[in-house]
Amino acid sequence: EPEVTQTPSHQVTQMGQEVILRCVPISNHLYFYWYRQILGQKVEFLVSFYNNEISEKSEIFDDQFSVERPDGSNFTLKIRSTKLEDSAMYFCASSLDTQYFGPGTRLTVL
Amino acid sequence: AQSVTQPDIHITVSEGASLELRCNYSYGATPYLFWYVQSPGQGLQLLLKYFSGDTLVQGIKGFEAEFKRSQSSFNLRKPSVHWSDAAEYFCAVGAIQGAQKLVFGQGTRLTINP
Repeated sequence: EPEVTQTPSHQVTQMGQEVILRCVPISNHLYFYWYRQILGQKVEFLVSFYNNEISEKSEIFDDQFSVERPDGSNFTLKIRSTKLEDSAMYFCASSLDTQYFGPGTRLTVL
Repeated sequence: AQSVTQPDIHITVSEGASLELRCNYSYGATPYLFWYVQSPGQGLQLLLKYFSGDTLVQGIKGFEAEFKRSQSSFNLRKPSVHWSDAAEYFCAVGAIQGAQKLVFGQGTRLTINP
């Protein structure tokens, strides 16, 4: 059964550093998403992406964040200058009409 | 504004007992409704979804949910829980078409007593 994959599973970085989180969506899906879950809190929408452009983004998704689908298979989330409050689990999802989630990347900012 | 409320933060049931997890939503249009399950340290697995039609939907692992438009609810049920059902359960609502932004509830943590 096809699934969404994410790398790395864990990422530890220093405050102010850039990180790139990678995702491989399900191959025939058209819509791609990033969500985050701060420890103990609900899952929050960050951004949706379709036809090589952002469809919608949340207030969380400020200028420090960017997304890209560089090669038709990968879907990346870049955080330019990480802050302590960016520490969270980041989930990638893809869909035709139902979103399927990857296992997540746990980002720890020190 | 779109929102999902899961009133129960933590529920404990005995193995073999029945289960109902509550979910209420607020959504301006016809919603897509979902239940996802998250085991410790894991991602979100889709249990079931409601798009239209029969308001009682069946999912994986013996779960079902009933959509009640008049009550804006989409409660999850299982007649007999197993120890492996211990996890966090999230209700979510999204748009019918296009790039859906899913809005999640706070989650309900389910503990199973042996």
